[in-house]
Amino acid sequence: NAGVTQTPKFRVLKTGQSMTLLCAQDMNHEYMYWYRQDPGMGLRLIHYSVGEGTTAKGEVPDGYNVSRLKKQNFLLGLESAAPSQTSVYFCASTSRMGGDTQYFGPGTRLTVL
Amino acid sequence: GQNIDQPTEMTATEGAIVQINCTYQTSGFNGLFWYQQHAGEAPTFLSYNVLDGLEEKGRFSSFLSRSKGYSYLLLKELQMKDSASYLCAVRSTGGFKTIFGAGTRLFVKA
Repeated sequence: NAGVTQTPKFRVLKTGQSMTLLCAQDMNHEYMYWYRQDPGMGLRLIHYSVGEGTTAKGEVPDGYNVSRLKKQNFLLGLESAAPSQTSVYFCASTSRMGGDTQYFGPGTRLTVL
Repeated sequence: GQNIDQPTEMTATEGAIVQINCTYQTSGFNGLFWYQQHAGEAPTFLSYNVLDGLEEKGRFSSFLSRSKGYSYLLLKELQMKDSASYLCAVRSTGGFKTIFGAGTRLFVKA
């Protein structure tokens, strides 16, 4: 049982390049989330999904897109990376049950030059 | 709007007790979480409160007052390994979204 995994762990992009971050969970969780974490600002929700085929915007969705084609995977895309997107990205998942904690992946450190 | 406030940093001594406070304002409330996050690692779950009162789990306890929009995390018998950031998070009504505070960095000194 791997829990929540993220790939890649580190990435350096140039301004304008695109990339996709992959999140996978093997706990059969319905809900999945993408957060970014910047110094002094805590975790901010980018997008989330309440089930396969559904996505919704969080607090800071601009510049990002997501897809949830399979229940176990949640992809975060950057179409044209900007230096302001330099951050640590965390994926999380949780079941539909009330009170369930979110389980976080190990994070992806992204630097945009 | 939604807002979560917690102190930026705290320092305490090994073996002591420390209380980390969190105040929140949300449009709907469906539970409050505390997470621990060591530097360079992912957050891990510590506690969950949805009703008023104290929840105890080993050396860690968490308290909630919904009428005051207030919670605290109490850490007893501090150990060096407790040096980490502690994140207060509130889940909104509907259960879909959780809003996180900026976190409190705790330094435990010998």
